[in-house]
Amino acid sequence: DQQVKQNSPSLSVQEGRISILNCDYTNSMFDYFLWYKKYPAEGPTFLISISSIKDKNEDGRFTVFLNKSAKHLSLHIVPSQPGDSAVYFCALRGGSAGGTSYGKLTFGQGTILTVHP
Amino acid sequence: NAGVMQNPRHLVRRRGQEARLRCSPMKGHSHVYWYRQLPEEGLKFMVYLQKENIIDESGMPKERFSAEFPKEGPSILRIQQVVRGDSAAYFCASSQQGNTEAFFGQGTRLTVV
Repeated sequence: DQQVKQNSPSLSVQEGRISILNCDYTNSMFDYFLWYKKYPAEGPTFLISISSIKDKNEDGRFTVFLNKSAKHLSLHIVPSQPGDSAVYFCALRGGSAGGTSYGKLTFGQGTILTVHP
Repeated sequence: NAGVMQNPRHLVRRRGQEARLRCSPMKGHSHVYWYRQLPEEGLKFMVYLQKENIIDESGMPKERFSAEFPKEGPSILRIQQVVRGDSAAYFCASSQQGNTEAFFGQGTRLTVV
């Protein structure tokens, strides 16, 4: 039962262009949405987040969009840089009644982004 | 300003041995989470702890796995009688509150031979 899906295992983009990473979920009880970036042999690094009461959050080159009706989350990186090449995970918080899972994140499978010079 | 510290970074155990993975949260953080990443997969939640309390262990295997976060010292993830299928990267994260961003350590790569 996969509640969070990143359907594109990989994405290749030219330097300077826009990278769009997508994430779909099934459980409407998720209430906080995060993106993490991960290099090989390192832990995930927090990038940007958005709460369920918003539909857009921007931080420099990174923008996260949330479409609650479609249960869809996306991360836009513009302009893309070679240093952005990494695995990107969406991670969703909440997802169950009672609040005991508030600190728990449900991760997607990840998308490998490669930005070519 | 140290981040989340995990040790060891790499751990090799023979089948049947015990593995102990340690996690020191960021300063001021009292919430700790353990995740496991199998090859080619995303991170899977295992357990969420506050000081001396297990808040949510819904992702922990029913047998051989246990976790603690004592009043003093690091959080420990313990795997008894390891099997080859336990080989994975184990990540710890910490947060200041349960509703704030979690920051991850660099992980412990466990290899069972």
